[in-house]
Amino acid sequence: DARVTQTPRDKVTEMGQEVTMRCQPILGHNTVFWYRQTMMQGLELLAYFRNRAPLDDSGMPKDRFSAEMPDATLATLKIQPSEPRDSAVYFCASGLVHEGPAFFGQGTRLTVV
Amino acid sequence: QKEVEQNSGPLSVPEGAIASLNCTYSDRGSQSFFWYRQYSGKSPELIMSIYSNGDKEDGRFTAQLNKASQYVSLLIRDSQPSDSATYLCAVKGISGGYNKLIFGAGTRLAVHP
Repeated sequence: DARVTQTPRDKVTEMGQEVTMRCQPILGHNTVFWYRQTMMQGLELLAYFRNRAPLDDSGMPKDRFSAEMPDATLATLKIQPSEPRDSAVYFCASGLVHEGPAFFGQGTRLTVV
Repeated sequence: QKEVEQNSGPLSVPEGAIASLNCTYSDRGSQSFFWYRQYSGKSPELIMSIYSNGDKEDGRFTAQLNKASQYVSLLIRDSQPSDSATYLCAVKGISGGYNKLIFGAGTRLAVHP
């Protein structure tokens, strides 16, 4: 059963600490999205990769967030330093074709205290 | 103006009734349209994709697309309590030369026995 895998599922950290979230897209998918979901803002697009190349990260706070795809099986989202306002659920999603849908991982629930 | 707009609800319908969920989008160049269902505490799950004007039926679900009016809807026939969830409209269109998948804020559906 192909699925997007995200780790960790839950993360509690102190303000100022570095947080790294990982995503394994569905094998063969060539597009990867990172979203952040909060009650107030809904699902916000943070970054988008196609064939491992970053195409858009305009939704990310550049000073503290970074997203990379070191290889086709791993995407990472890093926050350094973390702040309480970063508390949210972070979703990774992957897709196969240009016009097609994206399939979501289980999410990482981040709490910054 | 938000790129994808939905009524936040809650939309309350009795069991067995038809639930009608609506979505409008701002980018006239949008090419692909999706409906996702999200249960509380879970990740979004794809339920329908539609790419051309008209209706598309899948079981109890019907998606309707009208590109001229920039409007997409989801009908759920014979609504069940298990359909109670938040329904997210997502639109994919070319922005800056590549496809971007943007979500609406979601409509919360409550089906009562």
